[in-house]
Amino acid sequence: EVQLLESGGGLVQPGGSLRLSCAASGFTSSTYAMTWVRQAPGKGLEWVSAISGRGAATYYAESVRGRFTISRDDAQNTLHLQLNSLTAEDTAIYYCAKDRADGSYYMDLWGKGTTVTVSS
Amino acid sequence: DIQMTQSPSSVSASVGDRVTITCRASQGISSYLAWYQRKPGEVPKLLIYGGSSLQGGVPSRFSGSGSGTDFTLTISSLQPEDFATYYCQQANSFPLTFGPGTKVDIK
Repeated sequence: EVQLLESGGGLVQPGGSLRLSCAASGFTSSTYAMTWVRQAPGKGLEWVSAISGRGAATYYAESVRGRFTISRDDAQNTLHLQLNSLTAEDTAIYYCAKDRADGSYYMDLWGKGTTVTVSS
Repeated sequence: DIQMTQSPSSVSASVGDRVTITCRASQGISSYLAWYQRKPGEVPKLLIYGGSSLQGGVPSRFSGSGSGTDFTLTISSLQPEDFATYYCQQANSFPLTFGPGTKVDIK
């Protein structure tokens, strides 16, 4: 079955760090661009970061640039998002999504999400 | 950044109705637009990409049109399973941006 499974979310204090992971199965993720999207409570969908197939290029929303780092381990078919210097505004469900075709950045497969709560 | 707006924010419709949702980009995005459907408790589902191309497995009652700044999603004959929230997303340039969503509910 083709699927994405996120993990690594949790409760963290302001200023803290988390590392999110997204395990792909049923397909070879290395050939696809991958994206992180988040949804804060009561808010809409917000694109966070993307990485091209083979990891040649990375992209970030201004709100997370310099604090978040996207990476991929193609040998493990896994996508990561390192979250540093977290603030309450980062509280959200984080979804990873697969690109429909590398470089299109249309997301045709989504994981169920992992919840990040930033609170003291 | 390219801002995406949608109208209406919600629409009440009956089974069998034709429903049209509009998405507008703050600057031209050629045809780099996707439409997603999201039902409560579920993740978004890609319906349309490239402005008008139907994603595999999506019923033909869904169609997309437009280019530049103005786009439309049309459901030709609303079915019970179509009651959901619909989002547009531009893929023309980073940062990728989503519209705020249009909720389609039962009249």
